[in-house]
Amino acid sequence: AQTVTQSQPEMSVQEAETVTLSCTYDTSESDYYLFWYKQPPSRQMILVIRQEAYKQQNATENRFSVNFQKAAKSFSLKISDSQLGDAAMYFCAYRSGTSGTYKYIFGTGTRLKVLA
Amino acid sequence: GAGVSQSPSNKVTEKGKDVELRCDPISGHTALYWYRQSLGQGLEFLIYFQGNSAPDKSGLPSDRFSAERTGGSVSTLTIQRTQQEDSAVYLCASSFTGLSNQPQHFGDGTRLSIL
Repeated sequence: AQTVTQSQPEMSVQEAETVTLSCTYDTSESDYYLFWYKQPPSRQMILVIRQEAYKQQNATENRFSVNFQKAAKSFSLKISDSQLGDAAMYFCAYRSGTSGTYKYIFGTGTRLKVLA
Repeated sequence: GAGVSQSPSNKVTEKGKDVELRCDPISGHTALYWYRQSLGQGLEFLIYFQGNSAPDKSGLPSDRFSAERTGGSVSTLTIQRTQQEDSAVYLCASSFTGLSNQPQHFGDGTRLSIL
């Protein structure tokens, strides 16, 4: 069975600085997708970034980028130029690419605090 | 509506009562997911709908939990004979299709508290 591990329950970053959130996963599959979701206090989960396992190039969305290390099964999220609005819970998620598989597996989350 | 809508936002009920939670997905989205988020935990997958059928019910924790979807749109999650451990936030998400590359769009969730 696949698992997703986020080993940092809480992280802090100074405004305008860079922070990296860690995520590791375990799978025997070669085709899968990885996601980072943000959950602010409003509770609504928002997709931050997505990575297809077959792509070697790391995904980037504005100030958010990932470091995808397939062999190491690592998928970290880097937030550059941190802003107060980035404060939230961040969840890493895995989904199999196998046809007929629909389940997403989430990590336990990292709470990010942004200090003014 | 523009996004996924869930109701009620909050629900407090006594142990042993039945509760029904509602999810109205984004119009045109065929895939719908239910998750449970307990305090301090990640999201726990409950069930997936493709249209009106549920090809993956593997996450439902017991037979007290059931869900249905009618007309390929609104879904209801029903918990019978609620217990205190059912207290959690129940999140619904929809996506255009169930394909792996389709992003999920989440609702704001229903916070369920069992007294």
